[in-house]
Amino acid sequence: ETGVTQTPRHLVMGMTNKKSLKCEQHLGHNAMYWYKQSAKKPLELMFVYNFKEQTENNSVPSRFSPECPNSSHLFLHLHTLQPEDSALYLCASSQEHGQGPTGELFFGEGSRLTVL
Amino acid sequence: AQSVTQLGSHVSVSEGALVLLRCNYSSSVPPYLFWYVQYPNQGLQLLLKYTSAATLVKGINGFEAEFKKSETSFHLTKPSAHMSDAAEYFCVVISSNTGKLIFGQGTTLQVKP
Repeated sequence: ETGVTQTPRHLVMGMTNKKSLKCEQHLGHNAMYWYKQSAKKPLELMFVYNFKEQTENNSVPSRFSPECPNSSHLFLHLHTLQPEDSALYLCASSQEHGQGPTGELFFGEGSRLTVL
Repeated sequence: AQSVTQLGSHVSVSEGALVLLRCNYSSSVPPYLFWYVQYPNQGLQLLLKYTSAATLVKGINGFEAEFKKSETSFHLTKPSAHMSDAAEYFCVVISSNTGKLIFGQGTTLQVKP
């Protein structure tokens, strides 16, 4: 138990569906992240939120839409995805102190997404 | 710009044998380096970190890594492998330009009985 919970763990969707991934952290952290993990590729940072404000959008297609209503919750809204978007989506959180990144991320178990 | 290279995408050892996972970094400034581990069907977990306080860093589960500036390396070792060590291991560096974590490609460790 890392203190970061992701739901659902598995999701299968068609290209025309709309779905959302949810992440909740119980660690009192002030930063949350979405990463994409595809086979044979390094982990890709998608979005970063610090104190609920988006501070990073790593050139992610608009079919991925993040939402951070408070410092404990993070969503990734999905619509009109492509088969190549099939991957493991990992949420992480950290406590940042304003003196540069700590590098200490706490990850959830991930949501395995399959796009048909 | 900083980067990390993990040598060997798959490493196989026998139970009880030495584990050595290799990582070389590229950085023009003193780097912050990390090893993360991902057990099957789980997220990543911090194993250990180097922040220039000591060159030999001890982590969880008996792992340690040594920072060698002359070799630009940060190899991960464990004296005796357990079956439970089977996982994917990631070497990570913080980019001094962007503050982002830069992950290596990962090394899958297989432990044979």
